[in-house]
Amino acid sequence: NAGVTQTPKFQVLKTGQSMTLQCAQDMNHEYMSWYRQDPGMGLRLIHYSVGAGITDQGEVPNGYNVSRSTTEDFPLRLLSAAPSQTSVYFCASKDTWETQYFGPGTRLLVL
Amino acid sequence: AQTVTQSQPEMSVQEAETVTLSCTYDTSESDYYLFWYKQPPSRQMILVIRQEAYKQQNATENRFSVNFQKAAKSFSLKISDSQLGDAAMYFCAYSLLSQGGSEKLVFGKGTKLTVNP
Repeated sequence: NAGVTQTPKFQVLKTGQSMTLQCAQDMNHEYMSWYRQDPGMGLRLIHYSVGAGITDQGEVPNGYNVSRSTTEDFPLRLLSAAPSQTSVYFCASKDTWETQYFGPGTRLLVL
Repeated sequence: AQTVTQSQPEMSVQEAETVTLSCTYDTSESDYYLFWYKQPPSRQMILVIRQEAYKQQNATENRFSVNFQKAAKSFSLKISDSQLGDAAMYFCAYSLLSQGGSEKLVFGKGTKLTVNP
């Protein structure tokens, strides 16, 4: 049981490039979410999904797209990277007791 | 909108002593959940303890316990017999189970805990 996994661990992008952050969980959780963590800001919700085929926006969705074709996977796409998207990104899944389990995070640097 | 406030950006404690981290939140709801997460230098977010708002009894997990004051909207974390491995950022978080089964987890800005040997 690997829990929540994220790839890559670290990525450097140039402004305007696109990329996909991968997230997978093997706990059969319906609810998955993406957060970004910036210094002094705590974690802020980007997008979430309550099940395959269903996604919704969180607090800071601009510049990001998500899709949920399977229960296991919840990728986050940056359409055209900007320096303001430099951050640490966390994926999480939630169990039936309302507890969220986080992946190890992806550090993204946009130059 | 729900907000979570951690008024102590940094705290320090001597090894083996007790420390309390503060958290207050703002909500008009009556049924919700509260969490404390620990983030060590590895950046992994680790669940420390959780509390259901409908439960009057304070949650405990080994050396970690909470003081949940619902009327005051306060949710402090007490760490007893502090260990060097407790050094980390601690985040208080609130979640509301909204209509449709969705849930939004709102975090405070964190408290950095240093444990001195």
